[in-house]
Amino acid sequence: EAQVTQNPRYLITVTGKKLTVTCSQNMNHEYMSWYRQDPGLGLRQIYYSMNVEVTDKGDVPEGYKVSRKEKRNFPLILESPSPNQTSLYFCASRLAGVGTDTQYFGPGTRLTVL
Amino acid sequence: KNQVEQSPQSLIILEGKNCTLQCNYTVSPFSNLRWYKQDTGRGPVSLTIMTFSENTKSNGRYTATLDADTKQSSLHITASQLSDSASYICVVSGRSSASKIIFGSGTRLSIRP
Repeated sequence: EAQVTQNPRYLITVTGKKLTVTCSQNMNHEYMSWYRQDPGLGLRQIYYSMNVEVTDKGDVPEGYKVSRKEKRNFPLILESPSPNQTSLYFCASRLAGVGTDTQYFGPGTRLTVL
Repeated sequence: KNQVEQSPQSLIILEGKNCTLQCNYTVSPFSNLRWYKQDTGRGPVSLTIMTFSENTKSNGRYTATLDADTKQSSLHITASQLSDSASYICVVSGRSSASKIIFGSGTRLSIRP
């Protein structure tokens, strides 16, 4: 089954404790992206990657890092989480191109930073 | 500034009724517009996608329209079902960068029996 998986689905952590949210897709998509979703704000792009070893900042990259060492994986790293990073995070992937291809979203990771 | 605005913010209708959700955007140059359905606690799922040259697209009981001149889109849901209860998100992609995507904040639709 074609899908995007994220782990963990739920995470409660404390300020400053480094964490990684994994994202994996099995559709051989070149493009992968991370979003955060906050009430009333819609989804906002954190980072995206057009292909292996190619990453770039989205609209709200501060406090986050990503890596794309393999095509299927795109982990999101919070080196020193803060309470304002409490949010619902989605990973997504699609084929590269002009953006008319369907973007597939993962199930989401709900992160709480105390 | 590129923006996508959706209305209403929330909507409650009775099962079996029709409804229309609105999306206005200022993204330019425009590449494509998508409507997503997001069930509570799940990731968004694509319903329709329209490019500049398309003005209507259907997916079962969902019909999206696009007026690229006025920069407006609508999503019409026919004969609503309880499973249609979800948030509906309008997403517009700009042509200037394949990766620039603007999300609306969504319309929360509740279908009551």
